[in-house]
Amino acid sequence: GDSVTQTEGQVALSEEDFLTIHCNYSASGYPTLFWYVQYPGEGPQLLFRASRDKEKGSSRGFEATYDKGTTSFHLRKASVQESDSAVYYCALSDQETGNTGKLIFGLGTTLQVQP
Amino acid sequence: EAAVTQSPRNKVAVTGGKVTLSCNQTNNHNNMYWYRQDTGHGLRLIHYSYGAGSTEKGDIPDGYKASRPSQENFSLILELATPSQTSVYFCASGAREGTEVFFGKGTRLTVV
Repeated sequence: GDSVTQTEGQVALSEEDFLTIHCNYSASGYPTLFWYVQYPGEGPQLLFRASRDKEKGSSRGFEATYDKGTTSFHLRKASVQESDSAVYYCALSDQETGNTGKLIFGLGTTLQVQP
Repeated sequence: EAAVTQSPRNKVAVTGGKVTLSCNQTNNHNNMYWYRQDTGHGLRLIHYSYGAGSTEKGDIPDGYKASRPSQENFSLILELATPSQTSVYFCASGAREGTEVFFGKGTRLTVV
């Protein structure tokens, strides 16, 4: 079945560092890909999504490009802030129904940014 | 801003007991979902619904039932709770043709 792999379980950075969180997926066809962010005590919230090859999603300085060739959707940010500390989830949605709430999540990456 | 409210926020249950987790959304969304979140597993879909009276099995439905009595409410039911069901449960809602879902703040369930 479909799956999502996030390489980094935890990432520790200092403010203004460059961030990369790797996400690779396994699925047939063209799944819609998502990045969700979860702050302490909250549910996940959508950061952005992308639906087709080479499409770039972006929000709040974060960005990722859908790459079907390498089956990747890596999250990047040029300069992180302490307020970016959170758990980040890569996910893909069910292709058969197009239901964007039927999601397969990666294990999540905890980002800790020190001032 | 979409509003999804879960109750209770914390629950301690005994093994073999019945547990009901409730979710209410005020956005008139057709679709609702129940996920559980566990370290080492991320979030996994338990049940979902396309509208009142509809429930569908997700990826890990065993040991859980769901009920959607109205557009606004979606419950997750553990008839015979087990310690393996200790987890954080999230409810979410989304429009039928929507591009995202909106999650509640979660319910932390401990089965002892």
